[in-house]
Amino acid sequence: EIVLTQSPGTLSLSPGERATLSCRASQSVSSYLAWYQQKAGQAPRLLIYGASSRATGIPDRFSGSGSGTDFTLTISRLEPEDFAVYYCQQYGSSPRTFGQGTKVEIK
Amino acid sequence: EVQLLEAGGGLAQPGGSLRLSCAASGFTFSSYAMSWVRQAPGKGLEWVSIISGGGDRTYYADSVKGRFTISRDNFQNTLYLQMNSLRAEDTAIYSCARVQNCGGACPEDYWGQGTLVAVSS
Repeated sequence: EIVLTQSPGTLSLSPGERATLSCRASQSVSSYLAWYQQKAGQAPRLLIYGASSRATGIPDRFSGSGSGTDFTLTISRLEPEDFAVYYCQQYGSSPRTFGQGTKVEIK
Repeated sequence: EVQLLEAGGGLAQPGGSLRLSCAASGFTFSSYAMSWVRQAPGKGLEWVSIISGGGDRTYYADSVKGRFTISRDNFQNTLYLQMNSLRAEDTAIYSCARVQNCGGACPEDYWGQGTLVAVSS
């Protein structure tokens, strides 16, 4: 099973600041890496797939990069609605696995 | 509009069984693989199982293999999860999710709100 480790656990930032979230895989997942946003009481929302492709309707302030074992989700300028928990997921091999999540909170 | 509506959750005793269902609408159900994902209260996401569009291929997380069975009815546009030999650690909100059609391996792109399964004596 591929283990995904996200860092940091919590990111405290102000609106307008840049957020950089990391996801590291225990072995290569190629580019089969997705990022999700989850707000309290809501279903996860797909942001990024294929490590760097934005899902339908996702604003361009969200961007993904990386391949192999090291991946980054960047939010260029935080909007109030971006404060949430973010999960990475690898879907290239079974079982699919998620990282433990990074909470982006208002500073 | 893609809609996924889960049902069948509730309280079960350890060792007991439950069958979850997920009614899908707004897309051609048989053309998409489907997954179940769970989230224990206050915890992160855990992928549980996936089934191909035709229902001929299934995969499971090690934590549920041999106890849970995923299936689908493409005439009724419904996904199922039969859960047997339930344990306290199976307590979670169970959500169904559609797997994106992106060519090759694809992530889940639409999720239901989930149904709560609580396992306790």
